[in-house]
Amino acid sequence: NAGVTQTPKFRILKIGQSMTLQCAQDMNHNYMYWYRQDPGMGLKLIYYSVGAGITDKGEVPNGYNVSRSTTEDFPLRLELAAPSQTSVYFCASSRDRGLEQFFGPGTRLTVL
Amino acid sequence: ELKVEQNPLFLSMQEGKNYTIYCNYSTTSDRLYWYRQDPGKSLESLFVLLSNGAVKQEGRLMASLDTKARLSTLHITAAVHDLSATYFCAVDSSNTGKLIFGQGTTLQVKP
Repeated sequence: NAGVTQTPKFRILKIGQSMTLQCAQDMNHNYMYWYRQDPGMGLKLIYYSVGAGITDKGEVPNGYNVSRSTTEDFPLRLELAAPSQTSVYFCASSRDRGLEQFFGPGTRLTVL
Repeated sequence: ELKVEQNPLFLSMQEGKNYTIYCNYSTTSDRLYWYRQDPGKSLESLFVLLSNGAVKQEGRLMASLDTKARLSTLHITAAVHDLSATYFCAVDSSNTGKLIFGQGTTLQVKP
């Protein structure tokens, strides 16, 4: 099993550009999550999903969108990149809500 | 609004010493998680604590949960250099899987 995979590993965007961060898991987990981690800080939840077709907002959803058309994939979309979105983005998944979350390797995004 | 606070935020200790990291949270919850993060890396799950009084141990690390005091502790016994990392606690107060993370405690173990 590859676990949770994320692409790309690094990306530099200009202000106003758009991009999609990809996340996939091969563990057949129902729950998937997107977090961001700013330097020296803990993680903050952006969006999460409890299954295909179902998504909900986390603590910091503004400026982001998600979709969940399959169990395996949970892409995160940035429509109009802003410097405040410079961060490391982690995707995670869990089999159920009370169980441990498995994290992907992260995407380091810089917006200039 | 749920708040999760860790104490201390930075800890420098000698090998062989014992120490405890504290995680306080502001609203009722019986689900608490501990993660480890090495510099520039992802998060690795250490412990999942799902009830009051839960205690789990793995090697030199032991975690406990007191839901009445809204407190979890991560105890380090006879620290070794390999334990140097940042440790996060996270709380799920709504039983939805939506975790609120603490700020992290950076542990530096010196020979």
